[in-house]
Amino acid sequence: AQSVTQLGSHVSVSEGALVLLRCNYSSSVPPYLFWYVQYPNQGLQLLLKYTTGATLVKGINGFEAEFKKSETSFHLTKPSAHMSDAAEYFCAVSSGGYQKVTFGIGTKLQVIP
Amino acid sequence: EADIYQTPRYLVIGTGKKITLECSQTMGHDKMYWYQQDPGMELHLIHYSYGVNSTEKGDLSSESTVSRIRTEHFPLTLESARPSHTSQYLCASTEGANSNTGELFFGEGSRLTVL
Repeated sequence: AQSVTQLGSHVSVSEGALVLLRCNYSSSVPPYLFWYVQYPNQGLQLLLKYTTGATLVKGINGFEAEFKKSETSFHLTKPSAHMSDAAEYFCAVSSGGYQKVTFGIGTKLQVIP
Repeated sequence: EADIYQTPRYLVIGTGKKITLECSQTMGHDKMYWYQQDPGMELHLIHYSYGVNSTEKGDLSSESTVSRIRTEHFPLTLESARPSHTSQYLCASTEGANSNTGELFFGEGSRLTVL
């Protein structure tokens, strides 16, 4: 079984401030981990993913996330928030192959000018 | 950009009407999914398919049905729409190989409102 917990359904940051969105997962096998972003009235777009290898992964729009196995975490960060980052962010876990993907509840990011 | 398309993007319809939400992908993916998304709620998997003539119900019970007659096409049908069906429906696909990481490619969604 696998699950995802996203801490904070709403996060507000000032423009230029650090963005930190938290994600913890549970998985009985080595996980594949994803962050997706959803803009209003749009589908989900892949932001970044961890499969194997380097634990710090870089994605689009300046975002990055670090896989920490000991903490079962995959937090998403961006050094400096931009107004265009306002969106909803979903963390997801998969065991790969024919297994289904499990999503977190999502975190809505508000960027304050 | 992902080559997965959903139509209509927005649909407002009266109770009791039959509706079909279309989803097509041009990536040759074997696996396709329908998720239901309500504001402030997690994505709920309602249907999935591993290939032609394969359909399965997802984690969330739904009165909708799906079909998979062609690899690229995975329509969702509601025989008699009700206000409780008002939601956003997201279609997604992924490769079917055992080596697949599970990365999903999403369409832009179909927002259904039933009056």
